[in-house]
Amino acid sequence: GEDVEQSLFLSVREGDSSVINCTYTDSSSTYLYWYKQEPGAGLQLLTYIFSNMDMKQDQRLTVLLNKKDKHLSLRIADTQTGDSAIYFCAGSGRTGANNLFFGTGTRLTVIP
Amino acid sequence: DSGVTQTPKHLITATGQRVTLRCSPRSGDLSVYWYQQSLDQGLQFLIQYYNGEERAKGNILERFSAQQFPDLHSELNLSSLELGDSALYFCASSYRDRGTEAFFGQGTRLTVV
Repeated sequence: GEDVEQSLFLSVREGDSSVINCTYTDSSSTYLYWYKQEPGAGLQLLTYIFSNMDMKQDQRLTVLLNKKDKHLSLRIADTQTGDSAIYFCAGSGRTGANNLFFGTGTRLTVIP
Repeated sequence: DSGVTQTPKHLITATGQRVTLRCSPRSGDLSVYWYQQSLDQGLQFLIQYYNGEERAKGNILERFSAQQFPDLHSELNLSSLELGDSALYFCASSYRDRGTEAFFGQGTRLTVV
């Protein structure tokens, strides 16, 4: 299966930008996703990017995809305390089916 | 609210027992996925059903089984439970079987004692 790696922790000050990085091994993933998990809650789909795109912007969120380096990033502009959560990147399976391979998750802490 | 409903929210049971977790997908979604989230293994894909048929299998133990019923709800059966099966079990659903976003339920927290 695919390996997806993320750094475990990130701390930023409120109002700054956050950049969460992810590297993956399987370049055949059709879609790459970012999910958010708040304490005691399920996974919330934040955004996704099709594998033939380099960038996608959605309000405060910007996703960058570097297929050559197999690197995906999520930038959160004007980070708020409500953004504190665990962020997971995920790729779709080799067959293109929607069974996702998740990274370890990055715990984002926003300091007021 | 994602529209995916999982019951029960919490479950405590003893080793060796069998439990059933239930998932109702979002209205109109045909595909259901089960994932396990544990501290040591992270988030792992277990199994996928599409319109009642098994579509993909991940790291699902032989002691675990699942099915999707004609009304599209799904059940995950876990038997001969071990302490290591304690985890958060998520169900997700999507309209198609590939290439689309999946929406997750709140999860069922299983504690095996």
